[in-house]
Amino acid sequence: DGGITQSPKYLFRKEGQNVTLSCEQNLNHDAMYWYRQDPGQGLRLIYYSQIVNDFQKGDIAEGYSVSREKKESFPLTVTSAQKNPTAFYLCASSTGLAGGSRSWAQYFGPGTRLTVT
Amino acid sequence: GEDVEQSLFLSVREGDSSVINCTYTDSSSTYLYWYKQEPGAGLQLLTYIFSNMDMKQDQRLTVLLNKKDKHLSLRIADTQTGDSAIYFCAERVLTGGGNKLTFGTGTQLKVEL
Repeated sequence: DGGITQSPKYLFRKEGQNVTLSCEQNLNHDAMYWYRQDPGQGLRLIYYSQIVNDFQKGDIAEGYSVSREKKESFPLTVTSAQKNPTAFYLCASSTGLAGGSRSWAQYFGPGTRLTVT
Repeated sequence: GEDVEQSLFLSVREGDSSVINCTYTDSSSTYLYWYKQEPGAGLQLLTYIFSNMDMKQDQRLTVLLNKKDKHLSLRIADTQTGDSAIYFCAERVLTGGGNKLTFGTGTQLKVEL
């Protein structure tokens, strides 16, 4: 069954702690993305990676870090520097620019709801 | 610049048609997408349209694109209670770093009996 998995579904942390959110895909996609969603708002891009060992900052990268050591995995670390980390985090993947897809649509995981108190 | 706008709410009766509208600003957009999000879940790709098309139909879904006015709409025929969700439109934007999507703020569709 091909898809994107995110774990855990719910995550609770104390203020000042770093926390890492997992994202794995078995769709053989080159590109992966992290978004943040706040209540009543659209999705805001945190980081994206078009290929292994490469990633770029999105619109709201401050206080976050990522790595892309494997094609299948794109973990996101929410650091203590992120001022308002409580949010719903969504991971997505798509074919890369050189991929055979005709639509370059992004496919999403189920999300992780992070609560920091 | 990139900006995608949608109305926040839409309420329809079961069995009626729903029309969700979206405007975008980037004239270089090549693909436009519609996603559905149910409570507490990720986004599900519903359909997409290439910018050289005016219309695309997929079962109960019809997408209309007016490229001159940069207006996109999603029509859901025979709307059911299971269609209650938030609907996002998105445009594909090419950047120096690759391929990004810009999302609208979402339209909450409520289907009443």
